[in-house]
Amino acid sequence: TQLLEQSPQFLSIQEGENLTVYCNSSSVFSSLQWYRQEPGEGPVLLVTVVTGGEVKKLKRLTFQFGDARKDSSLHITAAQPGDTGLYLCAGLSGNQFYFGTGTSLTVIP
Amino acid sequence: EAGVAQSPRYKIIEKRQSVAFWCNPISGHATLYWYQQILGQGPKLLIQFQNNGVVDDSQLPKDRFSAERLKGVDSTLKIQPAKLEDSAVYLCASSLLPTGWGEKLFFGSGTQLSVL
Repeated sequence: TQLLEQSPQFLSIQEGENLTVYCNSSSVFSSLQWYRQEPGEGPVLLVTVVTGGEVKKLKRLTFQFGDARKDSSLHITAAQPGDTGLYLCAGLSGNQFYFGTGTSLTVIP
Repeated sequence: EAGVAQSPRYKIIEKRQSVAFWCNPISGHATLYWYQQILGQGPKLLIQFQNNGVVDDSQLPKDRFSAERLKGVDSTLKIQPAKLEDSAVYLCASSLLPTGWGEKLFFGSGTQLSVL
């Protein structure tokens, strides 16, 4: 079983602050996805990164895939209350996505 | 387009009882997944179907869990008998193509199971 560790596990910040969430593994993945999950709902895909070193930006969110395709980061600039949720990374190995342990983010107005 | 439909939303049962969950994927999606998400953890794949065939069920506790996808459309996941450690959210997801293509997964809202 491929293990994806996310850090921090919990994060509580004020509106307008910046933050970075990390997703680390000792395994190499074909691609990596980031999801956001709100309470009582299923995860919703934010982005897919495929190439080592790839950087993708989605408005205030910046995603980076590590050069060795073993790790990834999600950076949020000027966080807003609407960013609150559980952030999950998922690495593709073979025909299965392995989900990370999750980072629960709370943005306080 | 309609999303992935799951029912029921909540279920409370006593240990050793049986329970079944239902999922209707997005129309045209050939691949269907059942995930188990224990509180505070990421989802764990239980079983993956491609049309009505099983692609991966290596993490399905087959002594108590079973799943079927008749006619390659909707699916049911059953637990019999339930244990306390089965308390979790059961998520159904679907994708147009198999996971190996790096496909986007569309998740339902899940069924929250509490085993007392």
